[in-house]
Amino acid sequence: KNEVEQSPQNLTAQEGEFITINCSYSVGISALHWLQQHPGGGIVSLFMLSSGKKKHGRLIATINIQEKHSSLHITASHPRDSAVYICAVKVNSGGSNYKLTFGKGTLLTVNP
Amino acid sequence: NAGVTQTPKFRILKIGQSMTLQCTQDMNHNYMYWYRQDPGMGLKLIYYSVGAGITDKGEVPNGYNVSRSTTEDFPLRLELAAPSQTSVYFCASSQNPNGYTFGSGTRLTVV
Repeated sequence: KNEVEQSPQNLTAQEGEFITINCSYSVGISALHWLQQHPGGGIVSLFMLSSGKKKHGRLIATINIQEKHSSLHITASHPRDSAVYICAVKVNSGGSNYKLTFGKGTLLTVNP
Repeated sequence: NAGVTQTPKFRILKIGQSMTLQCTQDMNHNYMYWYRQDPGMGLKLIYYSVGAGITDKGEVPNGYNVSRSTTEDFPLRLELAAPSQTSVYFCASSQNPNGYTFGSGTRLTVV
């Protein structure tokens, strides 16, 4: 079983809809990242969370450490939001090397 | 700042050939990483480095080698390319949990 599970694997929405992507993990972590990857493109870091909630523009990320769960929300979705969204965690391993463990990603398609 | 620069962007190798994937960062980050991304799978760590002169294996190191002679450069070497190494390779660097930066990736096909 993956240490990091994302749902759904695929998500199709109409422009303007509110989007939620979920991430659950089974290990103790010190940080959680949400990343964005456009088709054939590089990976961009959207958020790093260790507690609570962060907002940037139309994107909101939340984390519940006790429940080992994080969500990424997109308000007023737009076709340019179409991408793979990846959840990654830094596992509490006692080291300081900041290695990440990744989920498989959620493919979001927003239709006009 | 250029961030993390990877070259080449695309490469086709024949079985048994060797090549080096280049990675350079200009942010003075101590930590650097090589990941591979296979279809339908999460990124897997190949090798990482916590500073110049120090490298260590990740989850999937077999068939690869790395070196870190300077803070800026972290090349990944494939000695005897195999079809199983067909993948997209990402280099990344960080200085702390907030500063994770990825390169644009190298798409490698071994035929």
